[in-house]
Amino acid sequence: DAKTTQPNSMESNEEEPVHLPCNHSTISGTDYIHWYRQLPSQGPEYVIHGLTSNVNNRMASLAIAEDRKSSTLILHRATLRDAAVYYCILRGGGSNYKLTFGKGTLLTVNP
Amino acid sequence: NAGVTQTPKFQVLKTGQSMTLQCAQDMNHNSMYWYRQDPGMGLRLIYYSASEGTTDKGEVPNGYNVSRLNKREFSLRLESAAPSQTSVYFCASSDLAANEKLFFGSGTQLSVL
Repeated sequence: DAKTTQPNSMESNEEEPVHLPCNHSTISGTDYIHWYRQLPSQGPEYVIHGLTSNVNNRMASLAIAEDRKSSTLILHRATLRDAAVYYCILRGGGSNYKLTFGKGTLLTVNP
Repeated sequence: NAGVTQTPKFQVLKTGQSMTLQCAQDMNHNSMYWYRQDPGMGLRLIYYSASEGTTDKGEVPNGYNVSRLNKREFSLRLESAAPSQTSVYFCASSDLAANEKLFFGSGTQLSVL
């Protein structure tokens, strides 16, 4: 299964942008890059996903490197409610069903 | 829409007892998943069901069994609970395509004494 690598933790200040990186050097051509986040004491929730082009939605933006071996989740203005664990996973091809999550990145947002 | 519903929300078992965690989704999804999450850890896949009638092992299947009862329901059974199975269990569902998002339930907190 294609794997992802994320920093264990990151810290940001409220109302500042946050860039959460993810490396996925073994990504295959059919793999979509998905991001989820898990707020304290809740189940994970979908944030955004993309294949090759950068993507924007109301929650965040996803910047995908040209070679697709890395991606960055961008929160344009962090709020205290964005404090969570963020997971980057790959979905597609052989890993379409066996979806594995790593430990993710714990984002702390300072007031 | 309720989304993904898990029952119970909390459960305490004694070592050796059995129990079944229930999961149901109302989004007509083909695929369903069971994960466990230990304190400070990420999610680990226990079992998954790509479609109705099929189930497959994930990363940590030992000590668990699953049943895909129908398209809506996917249950997880602990036949003889052990303290090492103390964890938070999450059920998720999705459609089959790689660009389809996963939807998670709110979790079941299980303690085995």
